[in-house]
Amino acid sequence: ETGVTQTPRHLVMGMTNKKSLKCEQHLGHNAMYWYKQSAKKPLELMFVYNFKEQTENNSVPSRFSPECPNSSHLFLHLHTLQPEDSALYLCASSQGAQETQYFGPGTRLLVL
Amino acid sequence: QKEVEQDPGPLSVPEGAIVSLNCTYSNSAFQYFMWYRQYSRKGPELLMYTYSSGNKEDGRFTAQVDKSSKYISLFIRDSQPSDSATYLCAMGAQGAQKLVFGQGTRLTINP
Repeated sequence: ETGVTQTPRHLVMGMTNKKSLKCEQHLGHNAMYWYKQSAKKPLELMFVYNFKEQTENNSVPSRFSPECPNSSHLFLHLHTLQPEDSALYLCASSQGAQETQYFGPGTRLLVL
Repeated sequence: QKEVEQDPGPLSVPEGAIVSLNCTYSNSAFQYFMWYRQYSRKGPELLMYTYSSGNKEDGRFTAQVDKSSKYISLFIRDSQPSDSATYLCAMGAQGAQKLVFGQGTRLTINP
Protein backbone atom coordinates (compact mmCIF):
# COMPACT_ATOMS: atom_id res chain seq x y z
CA GLU A 1 0.00 0.00 0.00
CA THR A 2 1.23 3.48 -0.80
CA GLY A 3 0.10 6.99 0.04
CA VAL A 4 -3.03 7.51 2.09
CA THR A 5 -5.68 4.81 2.27
CA GLN A 6 -9.21 5.01 3.64
CA THR A 7 -11.76 2.37 4.53
CA PRO A 8 -14.54 1.81 3.89
CA ARG A 9 -14.90 3.59 0.55
CA HIS A 10 -18.67 3.69 0.87
CA LEU A 11 -20.89 3.57 3.94
CA VAL A 12 -24.63 3.72 4.44
CA MET A 13 -25.85 4.05 8.00
CA GLY A 14 -28.99 4.83 9.91
CA MET A 15 -29.20 7.69 12.35
CA THR A 16 -28.95 5.35 15.34
CA ASN A 17 -25.94 3.38 14.10
CA LYS A 18 -22.35 3.61 15.29
CA LYS A 19 -19.60 3.22 12.72
CA SER A 20 -15.95 4.16 12.30
CA LEU A 21 -13.92 5.47 9.38
CA LYS A 22 -10.29 4.47 9.14
CA CYS A 23 -7.36 6.26 7.57
CA GLU A 24 -3.79 5.03 7.23
CA GLN A 25 -0.83 6.88 5.77
CA HIS A 26 2.31 5.17 4.50
CA LEU A 27 4.30 8.36 3.92
CA GLY A 28 6.00 8.76 7.29
CA HIS A 29 4.12 12.00 7.92
CA ASN A 30 3.51 13.54 11.33
CA ALA A 31 0.25 15.42 10.76
CA MET A 32 -3.14 13.98 9.82
CA TYR A 33 -6.44 15.64 9.01
CA TRP A 34 -10.14 14.92 8.60
CA TYR A 35 -12.13 16.95 6.07
CA LYS A 36 -15.79 16.95 5.07
CA GLN A 37 -16.63 17.60 1.42
CA SER A 38 -20.24 18.39 0.57
CA ALA A 39 -21.66 19.25 -2.83
CA LYS A 40 -21.23 22.90 -3.83
CA LYS A 41 -19.23 23.74 -0.68
CA PRO A 42 -15.51 24.14 -0.02
CA LEU A 43 -13.62 21.46 1.83
CA GLU A 44 -14.36 21.83 5.53
CA LEU A 45 -11.52 21.05 7.91
CA MET A 46 -12.77 19.01 10.88
CA PHE A 47 -9.76 17.91 12.90
CA VAL A 48 -5.97 18.19 12.84
CA TYR A 49 -3.55 15.89 14.63
CA ASN A 50 0.14 16.69 14.90
CA PHE A 51 2.37 13.99 16.39
CA LYS A 52 -0.79 12.20 17.65
CA GLU A 53 -2.01 15.29 19.51
CA GLN A 54 -5.19 17.04 18.42
CA THR A 55 -4.30 20.60 17.52
CA GLU A 56 -7.47 21.72 15.81
CA ASN A 57 -11.16 21.01 16.30
CA ASN A 58 -13.12 23.17 13.93
CA SER A 59 -16.32 23.34 16.02
CA VAL A 60 -17.30 19.86 14.97
CA PRO A 61 -20.42 18.34 16.63
CA SER A 62 -19.69 15.73 19.28
CA ARG A 63 -21.36 13.02 17.20
CA PHE A 64 -18.02 12.95 15.34
CA SER A 65 -15.23 11.63 17.55
CA PRO A 66 -11.66 11.39 16.20
CA GLU A 67 -8.95 9.05 17.44
CA CYS A 68 -5.28 9.05 16.55
CA PRO A 69 -3.46 6.11 18.17
CA ASN A 70 -0.21 6.81 16.31
CA SER A 71 1.14 9.03 13.55
CA SER A 72 0.13 6.55 10.83
CA HIS A 73 -3.49 5.90 11.77
CA LEU A 74 -6.52 8.12 12.19
CA PHE A 75 -10.09 7.14 12.95
CA LEU A 76 -13.37 9.00 12.87
CA HIS A 77 -16.02 7.45 15.10
CA LEU A 78 -19.58 8.24 14.11
CA HIS A 79 -22.74 7.96 16.21
CA THR A 80 -26.29 9.29 15.98
CA LEU A 81 -25.55 11.12 12.75
CA GLN A 82 -28.03 13.27 10.86
CA PRO A 83 -28.93 13.11 7.15
CA GLU A 84 -27.09 16.41 6.59
CA ASP A 85 -23.89 14.63 7.63
CA SER A 86 -23.99 12.73 4.33
CA ALA A 87 -20.84 13.75 2.47
CA LEU A 88 -17.44 12.62 1.29
CA TYR A 89 -15.06 12.37 4.25
CA LEU A 90 -11.45 12.86 3.29
CA CYS A 91 -8.35 12.07 5.26
CA ALA A 92 -5.05 13.81 4.52
CA SER A 93 -1.52 13.76 5.89
CA SER A 94 1.50 16.03 5.72
CA GLN A 95 5.07 16.03 6.95
CA GLY A 96 4.40 18.99 9.20
CA ALA A 97 1.29 21.01 9.93
CA GLN A 98 2.24 23.61 7.30
CA GLU A 99 3.44 21.27 4.62
CA THR A 100 1.73 20.00 1.48
CA GLN A 101 -1.19 17.71 2.28
CA TYR A 102 -1.75 14.39 0.55
CA PHE A 103 -5.29 13.08 0.42
CA GLY A 104 -6.85 9.66 0.56
CA PRO A 105 -9.67 8.61 -1.79
CA GLY A 106 -12.35 9.41 0.77
CA THR A 107 -15.30 7.59 2.31
CA ARG A 108 -18.64 8.44 0.78
CA LEU A 109 -21.13 8.42 3.64
CA LEU A 110 -24.90 8.32 3.33
CA VAL A 111 -26.99 8.76 6.46
CA LEU A 112 -30.58 7.61 6.14
CA GLN B 1 -16.72 37.81 2.65
CA LYS B 2 -15.26 34.33 2.22
CA GLU B 3 -11.54 33.98 2.87
CA VAL B 4 -11.09 32.33 -0.52
CA GLU B 5 -13.35 32.86 -3.53
CA GLN B 6 -13.38 30.50 -6.48
CA ASP B 7 -15.93 30.39 -9.28
CA PRO B 8 -17.47 26.89 -9.17
CA GLY B 9 -18.21 26.89 -12.91
CA PRO B 10 -18.90 24.60 -14.62
CA LEU B 11 -16.36 25.55 -17.26
CA SER B 12 -16.41 23.75 -20.60
CA VAL B 13 -13.76 24.29 -23.29
CA PRO B 14 -12.68 22.47 -26.48
CA GLU B 15 -9.64 20.23 -26.53
CA GLY B 16 -6.43 22.16 -27.16
CA ALA B 17 -7.68 25.40 -25.62
CA ILE B 18 -5.82 27.33 -22.95
CA VAL B 19 -7.67 27.16 -19.65
CA SER B 20 -7.44 29.82 -16.96
CA LEU B 21 -8.63 29.06 -13.44
CA ASN B 22 -8.54 31.69 -10.70
CA CYS B 23 -8.99 32.33 -7.01
CA THR B 24 -9.06 35.51 -4.99
CA TYR B 25 -8.44 35.77 -1.29
CA SER B 26 -8.75 38.29 1.48
CA ASN B 27 -6.15 37.21 4.05
CA SER B 28 -2.86 38.99 3.38
CA ALA B 29 -1.10 36.52 5.71
CA PHE B 30 -1.36 33.71 3.17
CA GLN B 31 2.14 32.79 2.02
CA TYR B 32 1.85 29.45 0.28
CA PHE B 33 -0.55 28.51 -2.45
CA MET B 34 -1.54 25.21 -3.97
CA TRP B 35 -3.69 23.82 -6.73
CA TYR B 36 -5.28 20.42 -6.33
CA ARG B 37 -7.03 18.36 -9.00
CA GLN B 38 -9.89 16.08 -8.02
CA TYR B 39 -11.32 13.50 -10.37
CA SER B 40 -14.82 12.20 -9.81
CA ARG B 41 -15.00 9.76 -6.87
CA LYS B 42 -11.36 10.38 -5.94
CA GLY B 43 -9.53 12.47 -3.35
CA PRO B 44 -7.75 15.70 -4.33
CA GLU B 45 -4.20 15.32 -5.66
CA LEU B 46 -1.60 18.06 -5.49
CA LEU B 47 -0.90 19.66 -8.85
CA MET B 48 1.14 22.77 -8.10
CA TYR B 49 2.72 24.40 -5.05
CA THR B 50 3.93 28.00 -4.97
CA TYR B 51 5.47 29.95 -2.12
CA SER B 52 4.91 33.73 -2.13
CA SER B 53 4.54 35.64 -5.40
CA GLY B 54 5.64 34.65 -8.87
CA ASN B 55 5.18 32.01 -11.53
CA LYS B 56 5.85 28.30 -11.54
CA GLU B 57 5.69 26.06 -14.57
CA ASP B 58 5.36 22.28 -14.74
CA GLY B 59 4.75 20.85 -18.17
CA ARG B 60 1.45 22.15 -19.49
CA PHE B 61 0.58 23.76 -16.14
CA THR B 62 1.57 27.24 -14.94
CA ALA B 63 0.69 28.66 -11.54
CA GLN B 64 0.79 32.40 -10.92
CA VAL B 65 0.54 34.26 -7.64
CA ASP B 66 -0.04 38.02 -7.40
CA LYS B 67 0.03 38.85 -3.72
CA SER B 68 -0.49 42.57 -4.32
CA SER B 69 -3.86 41.79 -5.92
CA LYS B 70 -4.55 38.73 -3.72
CA TYR B 71 -5.13 36.72 -6.87
CA ILE B 72 -3.84 33.33 -7.99
CA SER B 73 -4.22 31.56 -11.31
CA LEU B 74 -3.66 28.18 -12.86
CA PHE B 75 -3.16 27.97 -16.63
CA ILE B 76 -3.46 24.74 -18.56
CA ARG B 77 -2.01 24.75 -22.08
CA ASP B 78 -3.02 22.32 -24.82
CA SER B 79 -5.87 21.05 -22.65
CA GLN B 80 -6.78 17.37 -22.93
CA PRO B 81 -9.99 15.48 -22.11
CA SER B 82 -8.03 13.82 -19.28
CA ASP B 83 -7.76 17.28 -17.66
CA SER B 84 -11.51 17.19 -17.01
CA ALA B 85 -11.82 17.37 -13.22
CA THR B 86 -12.56 19.75 -10.38
CA TYR B 87 -9.67 22.09 -9.57
CA LEU B 88 -9.34 23.41 -6.03
CA CYS B 89 -7.13 26.23 -4.90
CA ALA B 90 -5.77 26.13 -1.37
CA MET B 91 -3.64 28.49 0.65
CA GLY B 92 -2.07 28.80 4.04
CA ALA B 93 -0.36 31.27 6.32
CA GLN B 94 3.06 30.82 7.86
CA GLY B 95 2.67 29.18 11.24
CA ALA B 96 -0.95 28.21 10.65
CA GLN B 97 -2.18 24.69 11.26
CA LYS B 98 -4.46 24.50 8.29
CA LEU B 99 -5.11 25.22 4.63
CA VAL B 100 -8.10 27.19 3.40
CA PHE B 101 -9.70 25.79 0.26
CA GLY B 102 -11.74 27.35 -2.50
CA GLN B 103 -15.02 25.79 -3.53
CA GLY B 104 -13.45 24.20 -6.61
CA THR B 105 -14.06 24.78 -10.32
CA ARG B 106 -15.49 21.93 -12.35
CA LEU B 107 -13.72 21.80 -15.72
CA THR B 108 -14.72 19.76 -18.78
CA ILE B 109 -12.49 19.48 -21.85
CA ASN B 110 -14.52 18.45 -24.88
CA PRO B 111 -12.83 16.27 -27.56
